[in-house]
Amino acid sequence: NAGVTQTPKFQVLKTGQSMTLQCAQDMNHNSMYWYRQDPGMGLRLIYYSASEGTTDKGEVPNGYNVSRLNKREFSLRLESAAPSQTSVYFCASSVFGGNTGELFFGEGSRLTVL
Amino acid sequence: KQEVTQIPAALSVPEGENLVLNCSFTDSAIYNLQWFRQDPGKGLTSLLLIQSSQREQTSGRLNASLDKSSGRSTLYIAASQPGDSATYLCAVSAGNTPLVFGKGTRLSVIA
Repeated sequence: NAGVTQTPKFQVLKTGQSMTLQCAQDMNHNSMYWYRQDPGMGLRLIYYSASEGTTDKGEVPNGYNVSRLNKREFSLRLESAAPSQTSVYFCASSVFGGNTGELFFGEGSRLTVL
Repeated sequence: KQEVTQIPAALSVPEGENLVLNCSFTDSAIYNLQWFRQDPGKGLTSLLLIQSSQREQTSGRLNASLDKSSGRSTLYIAASQPGDSATYLCAVSAGNTPLVFGKGTRLSVIA
């Protein structure tokens, strides 16, 4: 049982380059999330998708776009990477958001922007 | 806006000691609270989920309590082991909004 799978696990970009982080879950969950984790800042929500076909901004959405491709997959795109986007990115999923949701996380994608 | 605070930021204890990690939140109108464990370089693993109608949850040597009225939760770890060394995060959910996380407590259990 794979759970939540993120790719790639590591990536180095130059300022201005673009890339997409991929996330897939095999638990038939409805809700999916993208967080970033930075030292001293904790986990901050970038975007989430409460259900297939919907996406909403979180706390720090600027510089990112997302696509809920289908129920299983939720991608995060950096159109023009900046050094401030150097971080560890986590994808997560839950059956539903809010009061019913135990959250399951992927292993993380470590991004460095030079 | 919901804010979640975890004190202390770091804790070091000798093996075998019982310990308590603290979590406080500013808005008591929550639906659930979750405790997670994160090992270095890894993702988060859910340890316990407490629904707002519950007072506590137990799993093995772990016991989490919830006091909504005071905006507090504690995670009790009995008979700590070196393998318990990790960062422990709490997170709260209000309504259908995503979880809000604390910054975590980094626990070191010394053999």
